[in-house]
Amino acid sequence: GAGVSQSPRYKVAKRGQDVALRCDPISGHVSLFWYQQALGQGPEFLTYFQNEAQLDKSGLPSDRFFAERPEGSVSTLKIQRTQQEDSAVYLCASSLGLAGGLNIQYFGAGTRLSVL
Amino acid sequence: RKEVEQDPGPFNVPEGATVAFNCTYSNSASQSFFWYRQDCRKEPKLLMSVYSSGNEDGRFTAQLNRASQYISLLIRDSKLSDSATYLCVVNDVGNEKLTFGTGTRLTIIP
Repeated sequence: GAGVSQSPRYKVAKRGQDVALRCDPISGHVSLFWYQQALGQGPEFLTYFQNEAQLDKSGLPSDRFFAERPEGSVSTLKIQRTQQEDSAVYLCASSLGLAGGLNIQYFGAGTRLSVL
Repeated sequence: RKEVEQDPGPFNVPEGATVAFNCTYSNSASQSFFWYRQDCRKEPKLLMSVYSSGNEDGRFTAQLNRASQYISLLIRDSKLSDSATYLCVVNDVGNEKLTFGTGTRLTIIP
């Protein structure tokens, strides 16, 4: 069975360029999460979707970051006017999203973004 | 103060030894606890959930102390393949997002 798929695996952007990162969750998973992992740190929460609804975007560091999941499946994280401090691994995770249940999150391999 | 604190290590441990990691969390309302393992340049993968009564999975034992707000992971008879970063992870009530510690780096030495 397919896990969480992310593309591209690596992205090099020039400062000021816009980038779009794609996440394809496990089929049937209701919840989808984006995390940012800086070098030597643990992942930090960015945003969360339940189906197509973005329920929490409190972790997005600035209004240059935007995420969507229009059909409740594939999600895109867009970063506008990239800055060097945006360089990190962007991880996507999905879970069944069962109410009241222990929802294990499964992670994709991530997109490593380097902003020059 | 970080919500989840771990000793970043590195821990360099001979093969066959027992190693223990601790982690503390600040939110007393936290409800779910996990240890994830992350290999170099790979994604985090669930190692085990942590239950109040403590739980064991082969060579791995996890404990939760709600009163002191700490979580532990014990690895017995360590193998070379146990070399990785171990992430302490907490989930709060009514919130699906995970909060990670910085991770503890473990290297098993032959």
